[in-house]
Amino acid sequence: DTGVSQDPRHKITKRGQNVTFRCDPISEHNRLYWYRQTLGQGPEFLTYFQNEAQLEKSRLLSDRFSAERPKGSFSTLEIQRTEQGDSAMYLCASSLAYRGSNQPQHFGDGTRLSIL
Amino acid sequence: TQLLEQSPQFLSIQEGENLTVYCNSSSVFSSLQWYRQEPGEGPVLLVTVVTGGEVKKLKRLTFQFGDARKDSSLHITAAQPGDTGLYLCAGCAPNNAGNMLTFGGGTRLMVKP
Repeated sequence: DTGVSQDPRHKITKRGQNVTFRCDPISEHNRLYWYRQTLGQGPEFLTYFQNEAQLEKSRLLSDRFSAERPKGSFSTLEIQRTEQGDSAMYLCASSLAYRGSNQPQHFGDGTRLSIL
Repeated sequence: TQLLEQSPQFLSIQEGENLTVYCNSSSVFSSLQWYRQEPGEGPVLLVTVVTGGEVKKLKRLTFQFGDARKDSSLHITAAQPGDTGLYLCAGCAPNNAGNMLTFGGGTRLMVKP
C-alpha cells in the first residue's frame, strides 16, 4: 500500500537559498494539499490542487512560495530566498473528491526544513 | 476565520487512567476529524464525524461531535503507553468546496507505564 510520499524528509539550508520539496500523492487521488506545521502547533493550510489546477491559496503563502502540479500527479513546493521564519515541517496530503463527496485527507510524513 | 481551540495542551497521566480532550470553536463545521501524530511523522486519521450529536467508538477511544457541530471531544479509557502522541482535531467549514482543514493546536499526551 503506497501512501503519500514526500522528499526530502529533511532539508537544512542557509538563509537566502532556494529550496524545493516534492510530494507524490496516493495514485488515484485527484486532490493534493500542502500544509505547514511549526513546532508545537497544528498544521496550517497553504494551498491545494484539484488535478493540475491550483484552486486555493492561503494568505500564508507569500510570493516567495510557489507550488505546481504540472500533470495532476506529483507536486512541488518551492520557497525562494528562504528566511528563518520558514523553518517548519511541510506536510502534503491527498484525497479523492468525486460527485460532491470529499474523502478524508491522507498525510505524508513531511519535509522538515531548517534554515540556518 | 474559523478557529479551533484544543484543551488541554499537554497531558501526562499514568497507564490505566481515563482522559478527555476537548476541541472547541465558535464556528460551525460541516465535519470534524481527529488525527494522531507521532514525532517525525505525518498526522494519521482516527475518525471523521459529520452529524451533530454523533458518537463514534474506536476500541478504547470515544469521539463525540457536539449537537451544534461547533465542538468535539475525544475520550480515552484505560490509557496505555502506546496512546502517547499528539492528538489533533481538524474541521472543515461549511460550503468549503475544497475541503481545506482548519487544525487545532493539538493536545500532547504522554502515558507513563
